[in-house]
Amino acid sequence: DQQVKQNSPSLSVQEGRISILNCDYTNSMFDYFLWYKKYPAEGPTFLISISSIKDKNEDGRFTVFLNKSAKHLSLHIVPSQPGDSAVYFCAAKNQAGTALIFGKGTTLSVSS
Amino acid sequence: KAGVTQTPRYLIKTRGQQVTLSCSPISGHRSVSWYQQTPGQGLQFLFEYFSETQRNKGNFPGRFSGRQFSNSRSEMNVSTLELGDSALYLCASSADSANTGELFFGEGSRLTVL
Repeated sequence: DQQVKQNSPSLSVQEGRISILNCDYTNSMFDYFLWYKKYPAEGPTFLISISSIKDKNEDGRFTVFLNKSAKHLSLHIVPSQPGDSAVYFCAAKNQAGTALIFGKGTTLSVSS
Repeated sequence: KAGVTQTPRYLIKTRGQQVTLSCSPISGHRSVSWYQQTPGQGLQFLFEYFSETQRNKGNFPGRFSGRQFSNSRSEMNVSTLELGDSALYLCASSADSANTGELFFGEGSRLTVL
């Protein structure tokens, strides 16, 4: 069973608008949630993270929101830029371990 | 500061063969993790090494193994290759003493099994 789910395989957004990527999880023992971005032929790159004791973390154009009661997190990108076009992976870490559990990714396409 | 380096970048093997992939972490990083990426399953955790010891292991068969050397460099080995082992194998290193999950990934080794 998938502990981290990204239900939207793809998302298309116009340049300058907001991109919202969603992620759901099932395990209440996760203590950190992270977002990674991946371009073709490159490894994933860490984008932003949030601790389970917080509900929001912001870094420039990127904001991650965590709703623990709904077991849901989202990544907001404002404003979206064509260079943001990539695959975005949601990941979670169990407080007892070091391994990351990844969702299957959402491909974001930002058109100019 | 050099990033995570993986070799080889691409390789082709046939069923039944074995393969060894290499990873050099970022200087000073003592934790090295390996992940398998396939179109159907996404990124899946294989194992993690810290100070030459396997600290964590994912749900993969015993054909998948790894090790870490005293200089933190790591290798993973897959024996008796199967068609389903075709994947991108990603290595990641971490200096994350706070264990927040932030990893630095290499570009991966793309394995094709024929």
